[in-house]
Amino acid sequence: NAGVTQTPKFQVLKTGQSMTLQCAQDMNHEYMSWYRQDPGMGLRLIHYSVGAGITDQGEVPNGYNVSRSTTEDFPLRLLSAAPSQTSVYFCASSPAGVVAQYFGPGTRLLVL
Amino acid sequence: GDSVTQMEGPVTLSEEAFLTINCTYTATGYPSLFWYVQYPGEGLQLLLKATKADDKGSNKGFEATYRKETTSFHLEKGSVQVSDSAVYFCALSSIQGAQKLVFGQGTRLTINP
Repeated sequence: NAGVTQTPKFQVLKTGQSMTLQCAQDMNHEYMSWYRQDPGMGLRLIHYSVGAGITDQGEVPNGYNVSRSTTEDFPLRLLSAAPSQTSVYFCASSPAGVVAQYFGPGTRLLVL
Repeated sequence: GDSVTQMEGPVTLSEEAFLTINCTYTATGYPSLFWYVQYPGEGLQLLLKATKADDKGSNKGFEATYRKETTSFHLEKGSVQVSDSAVYFCALSSIQGAQKLVFGQGTRLTINP
């Protein structure tokens, strides 16, 4: 039981490049979400999903895309990276009806 | 909109000292309140929660009481250990069971032996 896993751990991108941050969970949780953590600002919700095929926007969705084709996976896509997207990204999962309970170890992204 | 304000950090204490980390919130309705802990190099872990006024959440010696009259959810521990060194986040969710957590800015706690 690996819990919530995220890849890569660290990534450097150039402005305008695209990439996908991977998130997977093996607990059969219905709910999954993506947060970004910036210094002095806590975590902010980007996108979330309450089940396969269902996604919705959070507080800061611009510049990010998500899909949920399976219960296990919830990838986050950066369409055209910008320096403002430099941050640490956390994926979280939880059973239905419960707020984010299990967080992955994070992906540190640097956009130059 | 909803917001959470935590006491400014960093906080440095000696082992066995009493800990209080202040958290106040602004929200519509009756939010659920949470404390998360982030150890160095790791993701967040849910530490404790309270879902209605006067509820006390507790875990690992930490406690927090949901005070609606003062819109507060202060985290306390009677005797801290070096292993408690981490960043602590207060958060709320206005809609029961929803995914939309609003976090405070975090408080870095360092415990010296």
